[in-house]
Amino acid sequence: QQQVKQSPQSLIVQKGGIPIINCAYENTAFDYFPWYQQFPGKGPALLIAIRPDVSEKKEGRFTISFNKSAKQFSLHIMDSQPGDSATYFCAASIENSGGSNYKLTFGKGTLLTVNP
Amino acid sequence: DVKVTQSSRYLVKRTGEKVFLECVQDMDHENMFWYRQDPGLGLRLIYFSYDVKMKEKGDIPEGYSVSREKKERFSLILESASTNQTSMYLCASTSFGGGSYEQYFGPGTRLTVT
Repeated sequence: QQQVKQSPQSLIVQKGGIPIINCAYENTAFDYFPWYQQFPGKGPALLIAIRPDVSEKKEGRFTISFNKSAKQFSLHIMDSQPGDSATYFCAASIENSGGSNYKLTFGKGTLLTVNP
Repeated sequence: DVKVTQSSRYLVKRTGEKVFLECVQDMDHENMFWYRQDPGLGLRLIYFSYDVKMKEKGDIPEGYSVSREKKERFSLILESASTNQTSMYLCASTSFGGGSYEQYFGPGTRLTVT
């Protein structure tokens, strides 16, 4: 079964710190790796995503690092703020050749708390 | 903005009841999904649909069924609710191609089965 393993389960940092969340996958056919952010009482929302042809992608304070040979990818949050406190999910997918459907396999999530 | 709405935010049902959870999206998306979210288990796919009247099982379909009679609407049905189906249920939708494959989620329905 396709799996994405996410760690840590929870993380507490001080404001300005750089939390790092890691994910590992097994299926080398995965070709799309998004991160979702979920605030309490809300559904998850896409934060940033990467494809395996690049090793890093940065959007604002959020960076994905991707290591294809190790089958690992991670999310770094620079200069973290209390407003970044949320649950973060990594995910992976395989685009079907016919494009008839699209499924995400999610990690189990990381609860991030950024203290003031 | 894409909007995915779910019929209820909170729902309390009794064991054995038939439960309908409805989801509506307004962006003409082909794909729609139902997940359940439980602490420590993340998001698990129950069913998805890639076209009207088309459906496929996800990772945990047991005890659930779905219906998609119109493109914008995807319903999750618990034929006989059980206490182990107490959970947060999230609906999502996405479109073909475009390169981003972003899934747009609704706010969730917290179902309690007593």
